[in-house]
Amino acid sequence: NAGVTQTPKFRVLKTGQSMTLLCAQDMNHEYMYWYRQDPGMGLRLIHYSVGEGTTAKGEVPDGYNVSRLKKQNFLLGLESAAPSQTSVYFCASSYSTGETQYFGPGTRLLVL
Amino acid sequence: AQSVTQLDSHVSVSEGTPVLLRCNYSSSYSPSLFWYVQHPNKGLQLLLKYTSAATLVKGINGFEAEFKKSETSFHLTKPSAHMSDAAEYFCVVSLKNTGFQKLVFGTGTRLLVSP
Repeated sequence: NAGVTQTPKFRVLKTGQSMTLLCAQDMNHEYMYWYRQDPGMGLRLIHYSVGEGTTAKGEVPDGYNVSRLKKQNFLLGLESAAPSQTSVYFCASSYSTGETQYFGPGTRLLVL
Repeated sequence: AQSVTQLDSHVSVSEGTPVLLRCNYSSSYSPSLFWYVQHPNKGLQLLLKYTSAATLVKGINGFEAEFKKSETSFHLTKPSAHMSDAAEYFCVVSLKNTGFQKLVFGTGTRLLVSP
């Protein structure tokens, strides 16, 4: 039982490049989330999903897209990376709304 | 609107002394409150959770927190710090009575433990 896993762990991009971050969970959770963590700002919600095939915007969705084609996977895409997207990205999942969220180990992204 | 304020960005203690990490919240509804811990280069791990049952909540690794509605506080305590407690701690509030639980994170308190 791996919990929540994220790939890659670290990535360096040039401005304008694209990439996809993968989140996978093996707990059969319905809800999945993408957050970004910046110094002094806590975690902020980018997008979330309440079930397979659904996505919704969080607090800071601009510049990101997501997809939830399979229940266990939640992908975060950056179509044209910008230096402002340099951050640590965390994926989380939960059984239902109001339940504890379980976090992955994070992906550190540097955009030059 | 709801928010959470962690009153200290850094707290330094000596090993074996008590730990107090302070958190105040504001919420229009009866909140659920959480404390998460993040060790260096790791993901967040749930320490404890308050959901309107007992006001004193016990968590993992000897931590506990008390919900005080009159003071709108949810401070985290531990009687005796251990070196392994050095980490960043986040106080988190969520709305009840909505279709979606949105977590609002505090800005974090870094706990430093010296020998």
